[in-house]
Amino acid sequence: AQTVTQSQPEMSVQEAETVTLSCTYDTSESDYYLFWYKQPPSRQMILVIRQEAYKQQNATENRFSVNFQKAAKSFSLKISDSQLGDAAMYFCALTSYSGAGSYQLTFGKGTKLSVIP
Amino acid sequence: EPEVTQTPSHQVTQMGQEVILRCVPISNHLYFYWYRQILGQKVEFLVSFYNNEISEKSEIFDDQFSVERPDGSNFTLKIRSTKLEDSAMYFCASRRGAYNSPLHFGNGTRLTVT
Repeated sequence: AQTVTQSQPEMSVQEAETVTLSCTYDTSESDYYLFWYKQPPSRQMILVIRQEAYKQQNATENRFSVNFQKAAKSFSLKISDSQLGDAAMYFCALTSYSGAGSYQLTFGKGTKLSVIP
Repeated sequence: EPEVTQTPSHQVTQMGQEVILRCVPISNHLYFYWYRQILGQKVEFLVSFYNNEISEKSEIFDDQFSVERPDGSNFTLKIRSTKLEDSAMYFCASRRGAYNSPLHFGNGTRLTVT
């Protein structure tokens, strides 16, 4: 079984500042993918960034970047130059081959990010 | 950009009634999923569907639930006899290929059981 843990239920950041959201995971698979999804108040699930476990280089998407520490099974999300539109629930998620062919995502409980003007 | 579409956006039903939640996945996608999110809680996997059959289901997906892909485009989730605890946001999702392709989510259907 695979698990994803987000230990910060809520975080806040000043507009234009940088914030880091934490995520740890556990899986017995050697090949897997990690994701961060954003869920604004509209409750739509939006893919923010993804990381292939076999890649050592940390993924980056504009103001969003990750710190992937494979040995520590840690996958944190850094948001630079925070904007009011970044306020949302952020979910860390993991997928690996489950053997049943479904490649289902396992989500953490989420971190609610508030951005202070 | 192609999207996963879900209808209705909000469904209210009485306990014991049957509901069908509808989804149109992205047309060239091969893997289809239903997830559930009870208010304030994490997103939970319900079921995955590939090659016209269920490939995996969670403990939540009991005999009250079923899925169908009746016409090659729609992907439905049926709850036969709804319970109060079925109230949640239901997300449909699809992906093109194996697990290295991103999962695309629909906007969800909010189901309220009274």
